[in-house]
Amino acid sequence: GNSVTQMEGPVTLSEEAFLTINCTYTATGYPSLFWYVQYPGEGLQLLLKATKADDKGSNKGFEATYRKETTSFHLEKGSVQVSDSAVYFCARWNSGNTPLVFGKGTRLSVIA
Amino acid sequence: DAGVIQSPRHEVTEMGQEVTLRCKPISGHDYLFWYRQTMMRGLELLIYFNNNVPIDDSGMPEDRFSAKMPNASFSTLKIQPSEPRDSAVYFCASTKGRTNEKLFFGSGTQLSVL
Repeated sequence: GNSVTQMEGPVTLSEEAFLTINCTYTATGYPSLFWYVQYPGEGLQLLLKATKADDKGSNKGFEATYRKETTSFHLEKGSVQVSDSAVYFCARWNSGNTPLVFGKGTRLSVIA
Repeated sequence: DAGVIQSPRHEVTEMGQEVTLRCKPISGHDYLFWYRQTMMRGLELLIYFNNNVPIDDSGMPEDRFSAKMPNASFSTLKIQPSEPRDSAVYFCASTKGRTNEKLFFGSGTQLSVL
């Protein structure tokens, strides 16, 4: 089926540390892949996306590369800030009239 | 644009009471989604509409839950009767077109059933 698996949180990092949040997906069809971010007290918002293999999505210093060979879309940032503290959701979307499928989310806390 | 608007932001009620959550999608969006978020199960899709018509309600947990979309600018999610295990954050999201990839979420309703 269509599913997304993320690493369990919470993840706690010091400011300026390197961040990786792992995400893998089931290889059904050729999905588009996304990272959404949820800041405290808010709804989710799109952070970045990639629509085909080897594409790299990037935004606000975050990056993720669509790896078909490993069915992965890991989120990375070279130097996190306190303001990056949030819950991050990996998601996949297959073409057609189907909704996004979200992972369970990974909570990131960045301490000064 | 004002974004997706949900009300109320917080709802505290007693077990057995009826709860109604409200959502106003972004003008011009033709898809509307209701999600529930809990620590245990993460983000669950409950139901979604296209042009005010329910497309898939397989995520609705039980008959106590119902959702309506009487027009393009308003939707409700009702729980009757409510139970403590319904306590969660309920999100409404909307998008335009068949490419349901970029969802716009409301700020959610934090529901506590005592």
